[in-house]
Amino acid sequence: NAGVTQTPKFRVLKTGQSMTLLCAQDMNHEYMYWYRQDPGMGLRLIHYSVGEGTTAKGEVPDGYNVSRLKKQNFLLGLESAAPSQTSVYFCASSYSDSAGNTIYFGEGSWLTVV
Amino acid sequence: AQSVTQPDIHITVSEGASLELRCNYSYGATPYLFWYVQSPGQGLQLLLKYFSGDTLVQGIKGFEAEFKRSQSSFNLRKPSVHWSDAAEYFCAVGYSSASKIIFGSGTRLSIRP
Repeated sequence: NAGVTQTPKFRVLKTGQSMTLLCAQDMNHEYMYWYRQDPGMGLRLIHYSVGEGTTAKGEVPDGYNVSRLKKQNFLLGLESAAPSQTSVYFCASSYSDSAGNTIYFGEGSWLTVV
Repeated sequence: AQSVTQPDIHITVSEGASLELRCNYSYGATPYLFWYVQSPGQGLQLLLKYFSGDTLVQGIKGFEAEFKRSQSSFNLRKPSVHWSDAAEYFCAVGYSSASKIIFGSGTRLSIRP
C-alpha cells in the first residue's frame, strides 16, 4: 500500500521563488494535514482539510496556501519562498470512526530556501 | 486553544532501565491523545492512542501510557528500554472530532550502553 506520498522529497529554492508540494493518499481519508518540523519546535500545523473542497488554517498558516480539489490530494503552495520557510514538511491524513482517529504520515519533504 | 507541553527536551537512560516521558495538555474537554516516535530522517510512527475507556493504554514496542485527567497528563512509559528505542518522541492532542491535531515539541531519547 502506498499510504501517504509526498512529492518532491527534496528541493532547494531561491528566495522569492514559488513552488507546490503535493500530497496524495490512497486510503480514502477525509482529513488531511500539512505540518512543518523545525529543530526544537516539534510539528506545527500549517493548514488542514476536513474534506474535499474545504481548508482551514492551523497554527502557522502565514506564507502558505493550500487546496483540496480532490479528496485524495492536498497541495501546499509557497507563493514567494523565504529562508524562514526552510524546514521539513510532513503531510498526513486521517479518518474518524468509533475507535477514534489515527493519523498516517508521509515520509517528509526537505525544503531549503537560499 | 489546546496545547501540548513536553517539558523534557532530551533524556538519556541506560539500556535496560525504565523510561517515563512526560506530556501535559491543555484542553477543556476530554481529548484524543497520541504518542508518536520518529527515528532520524524518518516519518512519524504511531505508538499508541487514547480516546476513551481504560486510562492505561498499551501500544507497540512494549510502550504504555496512562491518561490522568486530574493532572492533564498522558505520560509514556516502558519498563526496560533497548538501544533501538533511541529516537524522538512526540505527544499530540486532538479535539473530540479529531480533525485538528496539535503536537508537542518532542523529547529526544538517548540510550546509554
